[in-house]
Amino acid sequence: DTGVSQNPRHKITKRGQNVTFRCDPISEHNRLYWYRQTLGQGPEFLTYFQNEAQLEKSRLLSDRFSAERPKGSFSTLEIQRTEQGDSAMYLCASSPGGAVNEKLFFGSGTQLSVL
Amino acid sequence: QKEVEQDPGPLSVPEGAIVSLNCTYSNSAFQYFMWYRQYSRKGPELLMYTYSSGNKEDGRFTAQVDKSSKYISLFIRDSQPSDSATYLCAMSAAGQGGSEKLVFGKGTKLTVNP
Repeated sequence: DTGVSQNPRHKITKRGQNVTFRCDPISEHNRLYWYRQTLGQGPEFLTYFQNEAQLEKSRLLSDRFSAERPKGSFSTLEIQRTEQGDSAMYLCASSPGGAVNEKLFFGSGTQLSVL
Repeated sequence: QKEVEQDPGPLSVPEGAIVSLNCTYSNSAFQYFMWYRQYSRKGPELLMYTYSSGNKEDGRFTAQVDKSSKYISLFIRDSQPSDSATYLCAMSAAGQGGSEKLVFGKGTKLTVNP
């Protein structure tokens, strides 16, 4: 299966700790997105990359959050000094990068629990 | 007012029923409309994609977009227990000078009973 891969699937951490998630997009997909989903809500956009360039960031992405996509391949999302409100499913998606982002392929997400 | 409104349900129907799911939106710049299906503890999976107004059919699924009313629908015919999932509408203003992001509804949880 060559779908979007996210690791780890689950992460439990204590408040104040730093965490890092990894996303491996579908091979040759130029665009990579991060979304956050809390229970009973739809996914909320965080940021997206076109190759290695981070082109858009949501206001939800506070200065404790940083995302990178070195060499335009995999991406990492780091959360520093985690807070209980950061508990959520963090979803990564990729798309071929055509004219618009119409077909996003999502991974299964990383479920973060901050105690 | 949220940009996209979707009744979270839950919605429970018998097997074989026709299911109607709906979303309304407020941003007239939205041009791309999608329906995603999400099973428990999985990422969303694209079901239907429509550009601007009109209908699109794919097997048992029909998506409708009425931009004049800012209203989109997904119909599922001959519903099956395997259709039990959360259905998310999503929209984008990409290509219209707007954001590339998808804006999702809350999702409607559907259960199809055998």
